[in-house]
Amino acid sequence: NAGVMQNPRHLVRRRGQEARLRCSPVKGHSHVYWYRQLPEEGLKFMVYLQKENIIDESGMPKERFSAEFPKEGPSILRIQQVVRGDSAAYFCASSPVTGENTFGSGTRLTVV
Amino acid sequence: DQQVKQNSPSLSVQEGRISILNCDYTNSMFDYFLWYKKYPAEGPTFLISISSIKDKNEDGRFTVFLNKSAKHLSLHIVPSQPGDSAVYFCAARRIGSSGSARQLTFGSGTQLTVLP
Repeated sequence: NAGVMQNPRHLVRRRGQEARLRCSPVKGHSHVYWYRQLPEEGLKFMVYLQKENIIDESGMPKERFSAEFPKEGPSILRIQQVVRGDSAAYFCASSPVTGENTFGSGTRLTVV
Repeated sequence: DQQVKQNSPSLSVQEGRISILNCDYTNSMFDYFLWYKKYPAEGPTFLISISSIKDKNEDGRFTVFLNKSAKHLSLHIVPSQPGDSAVYFCAARRIGSSGSARQLTFGSGTQLTVLP
């Protein structure tokens, strides 16, 4: 029973490039959440999705960031035209309808 | 505005002793609290939770206490073991009928080091 799978584990992008982060939830989980952790800080909520729907994106910057959770395939967090300040660890979590979040191991994005 | 605060960035205790990690919150709408444990290069792992209708929840060596009037919760680990060395995050959420209340608000974490 695989947990939440995130890939890649590490991603290096130059300023201005696009970053795509993937998250496959636990099998049977219909809720996906993305969090961002900056150095020396806690995890900050970005977006909450269910299949084909964005439920809450209040924590996601309005520009350059987008997220999707299609009917088939993983959830994708997309960051366009990355800047140095986007460097962080991005964690995905999934949950069933009721139950606690299970987190993936994260994607560490470095913008150079 | 930090709604969940962990004011101690680090804590060291001797093996076998009690570890007490503290957390304060400001949002009165929070009514469910969780503790997560995180090792380097891994995601947070759920440890224990407590609903606001309780003041204590125990699971093996881990006990969480909630003081709702003080908006304070603490995690007790006894006896502490070297394998408990990790970053511990306090988190909170509102229980609501709509899905939008399921997101977690995290504190900044406390690095626990258990010395052998």
